Amino acid sequence: DAKTTQPPSMDCAEGRAANLPCNHSTISGNEYVYWYRQIHSQGPQYIIHGLKNNETNEMASLIITEDRKSSTLILPHATLRDTAVYYCIVNIISARQLTFGSGTQLTVLP
Amino acid sequence: GAVVSQHPSRVICKSGTSVKIECRSLDFQATTMFWYRQFPKQSLMLMATSNEGSKATYEQGVEKDKFLINHASLTLSTLTVTSAHPEDSSFYICSAQQEMNTEAFFGQGTRLTVV
Repeated sequence: DAKTTQPPSMDCAEGRAANLPCNHSTISGNEYVYWYRQIHSQGPQYIIHGLKNNETNEMASLIITEDRKSSTLILPHATLRDTAVYYCIVNIISARQLTFGSGTQLTVLP
Repeated sequence: GAVVSQHPSRVICKSGTSVKIECRSLDFQATTMFWYRQFPKQSLMLMATSNEGSKATYEQGVEKDKFLINHASLTLSTLTVTSAHPEDSSFYICSAQQEMNTEAFFGQGTRLTVV
């Protein structure tokens, strides 16, 4: 059963911000929102996670709506190397296995 | 972030033979590691949970006698695909976490092709 809904694909111009949406309307109070990405033929790479506050690190920002039913991953200045499948996952932090949905294929265009 | 290393990155084997894939946590100890499988144009599917010093826990539909998992130390888990068939050709990926409430780190994956 899919816990998250993401658009299958998005394009973004190089140097512009990439905003990747994710719906998680059935999220529970103890579930975090995680974002990973997978560049072609590589293992997934952790990007960021959050519970209810907005989060920022060196890779991206995570904006979570007040009702926590959706979130947006922001790559502030997309580069060609950011082309990848981006996965939004909700998970109880103590549960260590991850359930991957179909993700969003982000293509950064020159 | 923490480093998880998989070996080999690519392997081609003949039908009926066995292949071993290693997953190592290089700079931390992992009591639990996870094995995923990914077919072309599909998402990752969890195969099994590898627990150090005990038997692995397999997901429904994954044959434990075909996919042997050994987690003999806190830094090494192995997945052996026994009697491989062409339909076992896939991208196998492991992950590990340093502590319970931290993010998972993934290996670079192993591309298995059975001919």
